[in-house]
Amino acid sequence: GENVEQHPSTLSVQEGDSAVIKCTYSDSASNYFPWYKQELGKRPQLIIDIRSNVGEKKDQRIAVTLNKTAKHFSLHITETQPEDSAVYFCAASPMEYGNKLVFGAGTILRVKS
Amino acid sequence: EPEVTQTPSHQVTQMGQEVILHCVPISNHLYFYWYRQILGQKVEFLVSFYNNEISEKSEIFDDQFSVERPDGSNFTLKIRSTKLEDSAMYFCASTSQGVNTEAFFGQGTRLTVV
Repeated sequence: GENVEQHPSTLSVQEGDSAVIKCTYSDSASNYFPWYKQELGKRPQLIIDIRSNVGEKKDQRIAVTLNKTAKHFSLHITETQPEDSAVYFCAASPMEYGNKLVFGAGTILRVKS
Repeated sequence: EPEVTQTPSHQVTQMGQEVILHCVPISNHLYFYWYRQILGQKVEFLVSFYNNEISEKSEIFDDQFSVERPDGSNFTLKIRSTKLEDSAMYFCASTSQGVNTEAFFGQGTRLTVV
């Protein structure tokens, strides 16, 4: 089955710097890759997603890139702010009926002001 | 904005007891899911449900677990005989389509088995 690896596990950046989180996946049939932000004790919330027919997607300070050949995708956050501090999870959706998500282990992002 | 709602927010139960976790998915969604997250770990898929039957289940979802859609709005997860290792946050999610679409998560039920 699908396996998603995520790194780094923790990331500390200075406010205003950029943050990059990387994920790799194993199932070449996966074609949907969302990123979720989870604040302490709260539900995961989608911040951006990308489908396999697209190489890059941007939404204001957040961008995601996808390399299907290498089976990896990355989250880029520019001009980080303290409120970006949270746990970020990448996920992949295998090409199976039901749209289940296989999550990475998460990255704790700390933005220092 | 439509939301997935879960009740209760926190459930404490004794080992061996049955628990039922409740979820109300977004009303026009057709696909429903349960995930769990052990404290400090990643979110893990348990089961997907469509058209009144299970679409897929993980290895975690053994005979102690069951899901049901008892009416047109609720989606429940039952654990028949809880174990200490069932302690986790349980998230319900729903999607409007079967593939490649955003999953909306509920706020979770924290299950503590003592």
